[in-house]
Amino acid sequence: RKEVEQDPGPFNVPEGATVAFNCTYSNSASQSFFWYRQDCRKEPKLLMSVYSSGNEDGRFTAQLNRASQYISLLIRDSKLSDSATYLCVVNYGMDSSYKLIFGSGTRLLVRP
Amino acid sequence: DTEVTQTPKHLVMGMTNKKSLKCEQHMGHRAMYWYKQKAKKPPELMFVYSYEKLSINESVPSRFSPECPNSSLLNLHLHALQPEDSALYLCASSHGTGNPYEQYFGPGTRLTVT
Repeated sequence: RKEVEQDPGPFNVPEGATVAFNCTYSNSASQSFFWYRQDCRKEPKLLMSVYSSGNEDGRFTAQLNRASQYISLLIRDSKLSDSATYLCVVNYGMDSSYKLIFGSGTRLLVRP
Repeated sequence: DTEVTQTPKHLVMGMTNKKSLKCEQHMGHRAMYWYKQKAKKPPELMFVYSYEKLSINESVPSRFSPECPNSSLLNLHLHALQPEDSALYLCASSHGTGNPYEQYFGPGTRLTVT
């Protein structure tokens, strides 16, 4: 079983749509959770950290369910510029504070 | 400002060459990282420096040699690489305290080994 699993997609949605990505992680000791976005041939950019209470940043909402070891990202009112690969990222655990494990990414294509 | 800079942007080297990749950040971050990313794959951690000391080496072959001259700079020295080492090499940095896990990436060096 992969340590961080994501649906690879691609998710092909029209502009204005709402789209949700899911991610599961295997290490119950994981402490920190993130969503990064990566454009083709560019570096990953931190989109948002994910907190236990859930958090929102504009059109983006992230949720964490520690009991199910599940993280989600909801994008509302999709824009063409949201087209990218979304990486679910989890800190490895208490003994390796700096080590992040990346999911393989979910590709989003937003069409006009 | 969450800027990490990397040079060069592109590098082509032969298997007998020696070259170095450079990374710099001026955010006061105390942890710096090297990752390798192959096409259509997520980044893979290579090395972590925490407070200028090597804290994680993910069993990387010795032909890759990291160096942290000071808290703002990170180098990756390359020697006798193989064609399969061709990839995007990403540098990242993060705070040493607070939320140390939020990592900010540089634009990467695209390396081709011929």
